[in-house]
Amino acid sequence: QSALTQPASVSGSPGQSITISCTGSISNVGTYKYVSWYQQHPGKAPKLLIYEVNNRPSGISDRFSGSKSGNTASLTISGVQPEDEADYYCGSYSSISLVLFGGGTKLTVL
Amino acid sequence: QLQLQESGPGLVKSSETLSLTCTVSGDSVTRSGYYWGWVRQSPGKGLEWIASISYNGHTFQNPSLKTPVTISLDTSQNQISLKLRSVTAADTSVYYCSKINILSVVHNWFDPWGQGTLVTVSS
Repeated sequence: QSALTQPASVSGSPGQSITISCTGSISNVGTYKYVSWYQQHPGKAPKLLIYEVNNRPSGISDRFSGSKSGNTASLTISGVQPEDEADYYCGSYSSISLVLFGGGTKLTVL
Repeated sequence: QLQLQESGPGLVKSSETLSLTCTVSGDSVTRSGYYWGWVRQSPGKGLEWIASISYNGHTFQNPSLKTPVTISLDTSQNQISLKLRSVTAADTSVYYCSKINILSVVHNWFDPWGQGTLVTVSS
């Protein structure tokens, strides 16, 4: 099963809001609430930002939020800051392959 | 605080078996309800789930993987092991272990992650 589809890159100036999309199908994002988002800085391990579409783990800034509509999930970063520059990955439960990740989106803070 | 630490050979020859270990500290790998897994990331690429194992040894594997894999628990060492047989250059990746929130067979979120270990497959 193919990976979830994310834009390769997005950019924004400090203080702006940006949104990263994650498109799947009815066998994953479109049917289940089990969508998660991860932040990965260069050379570091991924870090959980959002789980079950729109829930933040303890310690994650409320500038990060998630949503879902149809087969597409989205991560929004409100008030982007320089330290948010990183790669972002979505993940979803899949009824076909159990786990799918997106190809990743590089966020550049201008 | 739960922490995971991967270890591996760094370099392995094509067609050989790659063995990786994830040492867990801060909790037991056999704590009821806990699941563990491996995810890899090829250089400059995205994440790929490899396999998962429950606290009592039930396993799941990515059906898309071409490389035969075995995941297991070493309860005496509080470790999770992964073996990939007959590796090729395509298996060159950073390998991460993670605790996974799983409901029945539903793989939910991965947290926390180890820092990863780079494995290069040479010809």
